[in-house]
Amino acid sequence: GAVVSQHPSWVICKSGTSVKIECRSLDFQATTMFWYRQFPKQSLMLMATSNEGSKATYEQGVEKDKFLINHASLTLSTLTVTSAHPEDSSFYICSAHPSYGLSTDTQYFGPGTRLTVL
Amino acid sequence: AQSVTQLDSQVPVFEEAPVELRCNYSSSVSVYLFWYVQYPNQGLQLLLKYLSGSTLVKGINGFEAEFNKSQTSFHLRKPSVHISDTAEYFCAVASSNTGKLIFGQGTTLQVKP
Repeated sequence: GAVVSQHPSWVICKSGTSVKIECRSLDFQATTMFWYRQFPKQSLMLMATSNEGSKATYEQGVEKDKFLINHASLTLSTLTVTSAHPEDSSFYICSAHPSYGLSTDTQYFGPGTRLTVL
Repeated sequence: AQSVTQLDSQVPVFEEAPVELRCNYSSSVSVYLFWYVQYPNQGLQLLLKYLSGSTLVKGINGFEAEFNKSQTSFHLRKPSVHISDTAEYFCAVASSNTGKLIFGQGTTLQVKP
């Protein structure tokens, strides 16, 4: 149990286009999902907390209009990078916090999405 | 505010030798402590966690960690490492109130034959 998937696993896009990344909890429901960004050989930085049915909460310094988050159901959250630029190139990782059943004190991580903006 | 410091950016060690990866944290509220492992181009896998109770926590793959409140540390240990343990290791702290994870900078464990 506790499988989180991300799609796509990697994406290359042109500067100025938008990219959507999906995060799904496959075998559990997640009221809360988190989005992280990881630069090469660096740690994970929390971008935002996504709660099902409500607006996401963004960390300081993260542009909410650039990184649109939608948590439409208990198993799906999406991150859309709008008008992407080369500096948005990064590894994006999501995690899900189970609503019940599984350890509700633990986040379960997706495999990550490598975004390259040309 | 909470923070996590991993004292070593890289730890080279020979196969079958013991290893300790150091982690210190700071927090003014009750916290949960975690160690995660990340293999190249993959997400994070939970190794172990401390919530409460026994300060010695055993995890997967033979790893264990000891919570030391007075020293605000949560060091990760393994008595004998394998080549397959080569990876990036992250210590993290989560507020019991929000569940948000704050990660340390990561430690690269390099196991040499």
